[in-house]
Amino acid sequence: GAVVSQHPSWVICKSGTSVKIECRSLDFQATTMFWYRQFPKQSLMLMATSNEGSKATYEQGVEKDKFLINHASLTLSTLTVTSAHPEDSSFYICSANDGAPGEQYFGPGTRLTVT
Amino acid sequence: QKEVEQNSGPLSVPEGAIASLNCTYSDRVSQSFFWYRQYSGKSPELIMSIYSNGDKEDGRFTAQLNKASQYVSLLIRDSQPSDSATYLCAVNSDRQGGGNKLTFGTGTQLKVEL
Repeated sequence: GAVVSQHPSWVICKSGTSVKIECRSLDFQATTMFWYRQFPKQSLMLMATSNEGSKATYEQGVEKDKFLINHASLTLSTLTVTSAHPEDSSFYICSANDGAPGEQYFGPGTRLTVT
Repeated sequence: QKEVEQNSGPLSVPEGAIASLNCTYSDRVSQSFFWYRQYSGKSPELIMSIYSNGDKEDGRFTAQLNKASQYVSLLIRDSQPSDSATYLCAVNSDRQGGGNKLTFGTGTQLKVEL
């Protein structure tokens, strides 16, 4: 149980374009989903917390107009990287909470490369 | 002071030995504690959760929690080369408004050598 999927697993895009990443909880309803970014050999950095039906809460320093998050249902959250630049190239990982206090289950991640 | 601290390692242990991974946290009101394993290039995988003082065992893994000392550890018995990964300690403070947000340590790299 507690399986989270992400799509796509990797994407290459040109600078200035937008990329959408989907995160789905497959076998449970996730009232809260989280989006992280991880650069090589660095730890996870929380970008935002997403609750179904409400606006996402962004961490300090994360541009909400650049990283658009939509949590339309209890099983789906999307992250759109708008006007991507090479410095946005990173490993983007979502996670979902199944109701147990603090427990988060991670998706397999999306590797974004902006050329 | 970092909220969740771990030794970055690498921690090298021979195959079959016990690997001991340690983590300290600064927020005394923390309620939930987790250990994640992350292989290189992959996303984290939840391997243990612990909520109360003492030990919690699951197969070869034992999590230990001491809230008075603000210390949580993970023991891996009979270490295998496949255990080589980075182990992330995560803490949930359950503060009002914090929801289920986790604070992660920077991780300890474990290498199990043949």
